[in-house]
Amino acid sequence: DAKTTQPPSMDCAEGRAANLPCNHSTISGNEYVYWYRQIHSQGPQYIIHGLKNNETNEMASLIITEDRKSSTLILPHATLRDTAVYYCIVRGRSGNTGKLIFGQGTTLQVKP
Amino acid sequence: DTGVSQDPRHKITKRGQNVTFRCDPISEHNRLYWYRQTLGQGPEFLTYFQNEAQLEKSRLLSDRFSAERPKGSFSTLEIQRTEQGDSAMYLCASSLALIKQGDYEQYFGPGTRLTVT
Repeated sequence: DAKTTQPPSMDCAEGRAANLPCNHSTISGNEYVYWYRQIHSQGPQYIIHGLKNNETNEMASLIITEDRKSSTLILPHATLRDTAVYYCIVRGRSGNTGKLIFGQGTTLQVKP
Repeated sequence: DTGVSQDPRHKITKRGQNVTFRCDPISEHNRLYWYRQTLGQGPEFLTYFQNEAQLEKSRLLSDRFSAERPKGSFSTLEIQRTEQGDSAMYLCASSLALIKQGDYEQYFGPGTRLTVT
């Protein structure tokens, strides 16, 4: 079973920031938080990951709470092309298979 | 394009036939994963390889499924005696795993959509 909980769906206005929450209250100390998204009929796309510090790249920002029990993915200026299912996944990086366990994700609908 | 590629992109087959899918990972990646995704669900892990060794198989991978990665590069996934329940998107992903740093992020291919009639 997935170790994360996400809202099933969210809407966002084009040009506004999209803030996607994720709860991972049972995360272990060596587990990272990963975010992927899947645009309809395509393979999942890696977005960002983090351990405990906030992270930013060209696609998004990841804010992880100090207790690491939840995180938020921020798309600063959502466009229609950001409409997708967003998956929050926790996993370790060593001593295991590295397989990703996907939940249901959050379907983000960006509206004009 | 140096991403993960999969072939074919679509496959329609009749129940009982055998099908084989191919995945070409990113060239320097030593890990290769197979996932299956049915409509409305997130991808589910099937199996993975580190170089040519198959190190884990999900219970979802029945005896009719077999995967190989003969030279540690491309991989094939074969389904024998297909059933309608095998209809799904089959996704391949690859990653780089280093002894000290661990396993880096996985990059997915576009998937092979299988329809069993």
